[in-house]
Amino acid sequence: EVQLVESGGGLVQPGGSLRLSCAASGFIISNYWMTWVRQAPGKGLEWVAHIQQDGSEKYYLDSVKGRFTISRDNAKNSLYLQMDSLRAEDTAIYYCARAVINGYLLLSFLDYWGQGTLVTVSS
Amino acid sequence: DIQMTQSPSSLSASVGDRVTITCRASQSITNYLNWYQQKPGKAPKLLVYSASQTGVPSRFSGSGSGTYFTLTISSLQPEDFATYYCQQSYNTPWTFGQGTKVEVE
Repeated sequence: EVQLVESGGGLVQPGGSLRLSCAASGFIISNYWMTWVRQAPGKGLEWVAHIQQDGSEKYYLDSVKGRFTISRDNAKNSLYLQMDSLRAEDTAIYYCARAVINGYLLLSFLDYWGQGTLVTVSS
Repeated sequence: DIQMTQSPSSLSASVGDRVTITCRASQSITNYLNWYQQKPGKAPKLLVYSASQTGVPSRFSGSGSGTYFTLTISSLQPEDFATYYCQQSYNTPWTFGQGTKVEVE
């Protein structure tokens, strides 16, 4: 059974840092792109970043570029999001998701999601 | 960035009703359009990918290409009351519609 479990959320002051982790089980993450998506309280979904299988390609939402870093440790079957210079508008539930991206088959979607971890940026 | 616009933002329906949600993209995204269902306090769940491919109960179906897409629930079931999001994966940043909340009439 595919499972994604996020951890590392919490309350942090503006300008602070947090590192989110996502532990995967039931599949080998080195075969997949992996993604972070967030959802502010009572709001819709917002894609944050994703990372290619070997970590060589990374893409970010403009508003987090230069502040957030997505990374992975395939040996630990884990995904990470280092969040620096946090702002109030980064307050959200952060979801880790498995991405199916196949250029030959013209497929790209998020097929499994974790339950999320809440990040609150407030003084 | 590609803007995704869903309509309606909310709707009220009864069990057994046929429900259709529309999603428009600000530019052509061919068929790089996915639909997700989210229930309160839960993670989103993939319903439809590549505009019309489903891996869920057959009462859910998707159609469209280019800039106009629809998600149809042929006969609404009690477990279908939720919020539905479209999402384009044509290019980054991947963007979502604002959501359509399906409520009990």
